[in-house]
Amino acid sequence: GENVEQHPSTLSVQEGDSAVIKCTYSDSASNYFPWYKQELGKRPQLIIDIRSNVGEKKDQRIAVTLNKTAKHFSLHITETQPEDSAVYFCAPRNNFNKFYFGSGTKLNVKP
Amino acid sequence: DGGITQSPKYLFRKEGQNVTLSCEQNLNHDAMYWYRQDPGQGLRLIYYSQIVNDFQKGDIAEGYSVSREKKESFPLTVTSAQKNPTAFYLCASSIGQENSPLHFGNGTRLTVT
Repeated sequence: GENVEQHPSTLSVQEGDSAVIKCTYSDSASNYFPWYKQELGKRPQLIIDIRSNVGEKKDQRIAVTLNKTAKHFSLHITETQPEDSAVYFCAPRNNFNKFYFGSGTKLNVKP
Repeated sequence: DGGITQSPKYLFRKEGQNVTLSCEQNLNHDAMYWYRQDPGQGLRLIYYSQIVNDFQKGDIAEGYSVSREKKESFPLTVTSAQKNPTAFYLCASSIGQENSPLHFGNGTRLTVT
């Protein structure tokens, strides 16, 4: 199956700083690249996604960049707020409609 | 997501018993998935189904079974063969087409003692 790695596994930033989480994947046939946010004890929720033919997508303070050649995509959060504290997962989708999740990045935003 | 209902929220069983987790969706999605999440870890795929009456094993299918007799329902049975069944189980669905995300239920926390 697909090998998905996320870095870093934990990230601590000061409120107002930026945070970047990187996801690398192995399957070159992956064609859809979402990021999910999971708060403690709750379900993962989609925060942003990007299609394979797009290099960058932005939604207010959140952006995702994709480098298909290098097989990685990254989540960028600017002007972080305490409510951004959560675990973030990347989950590239392959051409068999399977989503493989990374091991997660725990983001802590200090007030 | 109000469109996917998992029940119950908490489930307790004795070792050696089979247990079935319910997942129902009213989103008219073709694809449904079961994931397992252990504390501090990512989600691992157990089974998925792209269409009624068809399903495929994920990466950790041993000790689990599923059925997909109706489009809206995808129950998961945790059998006594599953060596370490205590975990948080998440059901998800998707339209099944390119660029369509997963929508998750609220999960079932299973504890086996």
